[in-house]
Amino acid sequence: NAGVMQNPRHLVRRRGQEARLRCSPMKGHSHVYWYRQLPEEGLKFMVYLQKENIIDESGMPKERFSAEFPKEGPSILRIQQVVRGDSAAYFCASSPRLAGADTGELFFGEGSRLTVL
Amino acid sequence: AQKITQTQPGMFVQEKEAVTLDCTYDTSDQSYGLFWYKQPSSGEMIFLIYQGSYDEQNATEGRYSLNFQKARKSANLVISASQLGDSAMYFCAMSLTGTASKLTFGTGTRLQVTL
Repeated sequence: NAGVMQNPRHLVRRRGQEARLRCSPMKGHSHVYWYRQLPEEGLKFMVYLQKENIIDESGMPKERFSAEFPKEGPSILRIQQVVRGDSAAYFCASSPRLAGADTGELFFGEGSRLTVL
Repeated sequence: AQKITQTQPGMFVQEKEAVTLDCTYDTSDQSYGLFWYKQPSSGEMIFLIYQGSYDEQNATEGRYSLNFQKARKSANLVISASQLGDSAMYFCAMSLTGTASKLTFGTGTRLQVTL
């Protein structure tokens, strides 16, 4: 039973390029969350999605960042025109239902580490 | 808004000893969940233990137990019989019920287990 799968694990981009990070949730999970971890800090919530819907994007920067979770395929976190401050680890988590937090059923992937040169 | 405070940036413990990692939280909500995650040097986030605010008993998972003191708003993690493989960053987090697993994390405690 595969866990949350993220790729790429490591991504290097130059300033101004685009970064695309992918997340496949655990089998049977339809709720996906993206978190960002800056160096030496805890994780910060970015966005919560269900299939084809963005439910809560209160943690997403207003510009350059977008997320989707299409009917088929993985969830994508897209960062346009990256800057050095975007360098961070981006974690995806999934849960089988809305009440994932109420039961502890929230599981993280191994993260994607973005480095902007 | 909720807040998680972890006041121990780093901790040392000898192998086979028990260690307590501190976590206090702040929220005005009555219904919430508390989590601990382990992050080894490889970087992944590993779920350890969960406590619901209405759970009357402290959560336990193997060598991990959560010392939940609701009146003091603390949710300390106790690791018994420490092993070298326990060396990692440990994060405390909370989520308000009904907020769809939107976790607020503390800044973490780095635990080093020594021989």
